[in-house]
Amino acid sequence: AQKITQTQPGMFVQEKEAVTLDCTYDTSDPSYGLFWYKQPSSGEMIFLIYQGSYDQQNATEGRYSLNFQKARKSANLVISASQLGDSAMYFCAMRRLLQGGSEKLVFGKGTKLTVNP
Amino acid sequence: NAGVMQNPRHLVRRRGQEARLRCSPMKGHSHVYWYRQLPEEGLKFMVYLQKENIIDESGMPKERFSAEFPKEGPSILRIQQVVRGDSAAYFCASPRLAGVEQFFGPGTRLTVL
Repeated sequence: AQKITQTQPGMFVQEKEAVTLDCTYDTSDPSYGLFWYKQPSSGEMIFLIYQGSYDQQNATEGRYSLNFQKARKSANLVISASQLGDSAMYFCAMRRLLQGGSEKLVFGKGTKLTVNP
Repeated sequence: NAGVMQNPRHLVRRRGQEARLRCSPMKGHSHVYWYRQLPEEGLKFMVYLQKENIIDESGMPKERFSAEFPKEGPSILRIQQVVRGDSAAYFCASPRLAGVEQFFGPGTRLTVL
């Protein structure tokens, strides 16, 4: 069964430092995608970054990068130069392609990141 | 949220009442996904709809929950005879046409008293 595991319920980081949020996944699908979403206290889900299973290079989007290790089935999010506004819940998710062209996202339980001044 | 609209943002119901949650996808889009987020949990897929069709409802509870996406108007997630365990945030999402990510609406927070 497809599963996303985020083992860090909470993480703390000092402002301006880098932080890594862990994500491991389990799937038997040959093709899949991995996402990270940010959920601030206001509750909305904000897309951060995407990595396809066949992408040769790790994805980067500004201060966000995805450390994709396919053999280890891990897709850790690295946030560089943390800012106070980065304090939020972070969810790792896996995209499953289903028959008929549909797809769905399978989410982990999330990691609560707190950035200290 | 890239134009995905949900209303109401907050909904309070007493046990046994009905809850109706609405989602309008991004303009020109005809697909929506519904997800539920229980307290302290990640989002869980419920149903995927195209206009007038349910494509995948494998995540929908077997009873009291239904979803539709009519030809005109928003998608509706309907919960009949609500119970306290239905208290959650309900999100709808619209896939990006030229990309892979799903854009989420702001969510509806349902509280059952």
